[in-house]
Formats: sequence, C-alpha cells, structure tokens
Amino acid sequence: GAVVSQHPSRVICKSGTSVKIECRSLDFQATTMFWYRQFPKQSLMLMATSNEGSKATYEQGVEKDKFLINHASLTLSTLTVTSAHPEDSSFYICSARDRFSGETQYFGPGTRLLVL
Amino acid sequence: SQQGEEDPQALSIQEGENATMNCSYKTSINNLQWYRQNSGRGLVHLILIRSNEREKHSGRLRVTLDTSKKSSSLLITASRAADTASYFCATGSSNTGKLIFGQGTTLQVKP
Repeated sequence: GAVVSQHPSRVICKSGTSVKIECRSLDFQATTMFWYRQFPKQSLMLMATSNEGSKATYEQGVEKDKFLINHASLTLSTLTVTSAHPEDSSFYICSARDRFSGETQYFGPGTRLLVL
Repeated sequence: SQQGEEDPQALSIQEGENATMNCSYKTSINNLQWYRQNSGRGLVHLILIRSNEREKHSGRLRVTLDTSKKSSSLLITASRAADTASYFCATGSSNTGKLIFGQGTTLQVKP
C-alpha cells in the first residue's frame, strides 16, 4: 500500500527558532500534498495544500509567512514553522494523493512539535 | 473550518457489541471518507463512499451515505478491544482534493 513518512516524528525547540518538517511519499508520486494540525483531543484542521512546482494554497486564517511550504519534487513537501512560539505546539500531519489515483489521501504518522 | 459534526463525541461499549457513529456535513461533496486514529498516531484510511453510492461494506465496517440529509454513518460490527480509537469522517472535493474533517468520535471498546 501507499506509504507516507514524516520526519522528524517529534521535535522540541526553543521559542523563536524555526523547525522544518518533511513529508515524503515513499512508493508513489504526489503532485498534491496537504498539511494539517491537530490540537489535543481535537480534529484535524487543514492548513494548506502543497502543490508540486507551484505556490501552496493556504486556508483562511493560516499565516503563509509563518508556515512556509515547499513542494520541490513529486515525493517531498516540507513545512517550516518559522519563529516558533509555544502556541505553535501541536501535532502536524501531512497527507498525499497519488497523482494517478487521486481520491484517497494517505497520511503520514505525524510530527509532534513542542515549543518551549 | 470544520465541515460538520459527528455524534456521539464519545462512545463506550463492550466487546462484541456494535458501534454506530454518525457524521453530518454542510456542503455538496464528491465523496466521504472515514478514518481511524489511535492515540497520538497518524490516520488510517478505512473506507471511501462516493456521493452516488448509498452503502458500502468492508469487513466488519458498514458505511451509509444519505446525501439528501447530508449525513453518513459508520457501523462497526462485533467490536473488539483493538477497535478502540478515534474515528473521523472527512468530506472530499474532487476539484481541490481537500478533505474537511468532522469533530470525531472517540470509541472505547471494553474487553
């Protein structure tokens, strides 16, 4: 089956630093990837749609300068949380759609970010 | 923003019983998908039902979709302790591929 990986699985950083999270589709190509965040005991909130070779599309209320997304290849999208603050602490999950069979999204295992 | 709501928010049953979770949504959809999430983990895709389908089965899972009522249900039959998890419905758009998630139902199956 289709596998999506995320790295790192968890990260602790100091307030004011930037953190990069990678999302990779391991056995398929994904022209579109999605980034979500999830607070404890809550649902997933879509942050942005990452498009290979073009700019990401951000959901309303999500700061594009705060959450930088780069989708430089068909198997890799990165999310950089810039100048992280404690309120950015969350569980970040990516998903990817197979470019040839697009309806199902395959989710990564998530990255837990803790900003001190 | 969230598409809709799921109920119940929490459900606790005994092993062997059936579990039913409901999902309502607000806008037109192309498909509706159900996912499971174990605590602190990623999501596992369970089943996808298209807007022109009314019912779908996969093993012990049965999903129904009523587009006139904008609602769906997930039935897990003969539940097992390993089914303990959070279950989310998500509505999909064919144009954008976006998934909008419901609030989720936390299911506890007691052995």
